[in-house]
Amino acid sequence: QQQVKQSPQSLIVQKGGISIINCAYENTAFDYFPWYQQFPGKGPALLIAIRPDVSEKKEGRFTISFNKSAKQFSLHIMDSQPGDSATYFCAASMGIDDMRFGAGTRLTVKP
Amino acid sequence: DTAVSQTPKYLVTQMGNDKSIKCEQNLGHDTMYWYKQDSKKFLKIMFSYNNKELIINETVPNRFSPKSPDKAHLNLHINSLELGDSAVYFCASSTRRGFNNEQFFGPGTRLTVL
Repeated sequence: QQQVKQSPQSLIVQKGGISIINCAYENTAFDYFPWYQQFPGKGPALLIAIRPDVSEKKEGRFTISFNKSAKQFSLHIMDSQPGDSATYFCAASMGIDDMRFGAGTRLTVKP
Repeated sequence: DTAVSQTPKYLVTQMGNDKSIKCEQNLGHDTMYWYKQDSKKFLKIMFSYNNKELIINETVPNRFSPKSPDKAHLNLHINSLELGDSAVYFCASSTRRGFNNEQFFGPGTRLTVL
């Protein structure tokens, strides 16, 4: 079964620091890689997404780095803020009806 | 205006009961989903409907039955509730079929089975 492995499970970063969350996948047929952000008591919300034809995508303080040969992708949060404290999920989809989520990373940004 | 709404937000019930969770989206989207998030926060797709047609039916006990009366609504009915059904259930919608389209999630329904 195709899996998406996410690490770390939890992450504590000081305000202003860089948060890095990593994901690895197995099936090279995956062709869309979104990251979702979930605040406590809320539903997930799309943060940023990338397709495998690019190696990096940046939106504000959030960057996805994608390494196709290693089958890995990561989320970098620059200048992390306490308001970024949330659970982050990576995911990978293929075709139109198959998506797998990572197990989530609980990020805490300390002031 | 809430884009994707779910009712109820909390549901506490006894084992063996039957319950329903309702979902409505006012975004004009064609596709709706049900997800289950367990106590470890793991998210798993359960069902997906496109224009009221069931297109994804993951390995879910047949005690769970989704119903889509129209494009804007996708309800989840659960029969003979079990302790293991305790979780947060999220409804989501997207403009059209395909996970490469952004999904908009509802606020979730926390189901507790005693």
